[in-house]
Amino acid sequence: AQSVTQPDIHITVSEGASLELRCNYSYGATPYLFWYVQSPGQGLQLLLKYFSGDTLVQGIKGFEAEFKRSQSSFNLRKPSVHWSDAAEYFCAVGLGGSNYKLTFGKGTLLTVNP
Amino acid sequence: DAGVTQSPTHLIKTRGQQVTLRCSPKSGHDTVSWYQQALGQGPQFIFQYYEEEERQRGNFPDRFSGHQYPNYSSELNVNALLLGDSALYLCASSLNQGAQPQHFGDGTRLSIL
Repeated sequence: AQSVTQPDIHITVSEGASLELRCNYSYGATPYLFWYVQSPGQGLQLLLKYFSGDTLVQGIKGFEAEFKRSQSSFNLRKPSVHWSDAAEYFCAVGLGGSNYKLTFGKGTLLTVNP
Repeated sequence: DAGVTQSPTHLIKTRGQQVTLRCSPKSGHDTVSWYQQALGQGPQFIFQYYEEEERQRGNFPDRFSGHQYPNYSSELNVNALLLGDSALYLCASSLNQGAQPQHFGDGTRLSIL
């Protein structure tokens, strides 16, 4: 069965520092790949997506992610973190063609120190 | 352009009761998916509706059922509520046209006493 692993449950960075959140997936083919962000008490906001093509994708709020097929990874990066980036981040894979369902990782909670 | 809207925002029920949660998809979307997010976990897929039919289903019991209306809005019904059904229920909508992202609402927080 497909699975998504986010190895880091909680990450703390200082404001202005760079950020990388890890995501690995287990699936035989290349799935659709997503990163979502969730603020406390809120729903999920789509940061970026990968369907095909260029393996480096740009998203909103200055985030980017790189798909590495050989490593089955889709890590999220940001060069300079802002205090407002503190939230929970979820990696998700979509399987089943255009009728895909999303399988999520357990999330990484990001804390930003001033 | 309204996004995905869900109602109610919060709901408190007791064990054994039934509940109905509602979702209006983003304008232009025709597909609705429901997810359950337990505290401290990632969302889990419940089912997906398209053209008023359940198209896919996750590993949830028959107590969970749904409906989609001609205007694409959707309901999630849960019968015989258990304490373990306490969670945030998220609705996501998308357009059934090639590869399209799913957009989420803010969810309904369901608490079972």
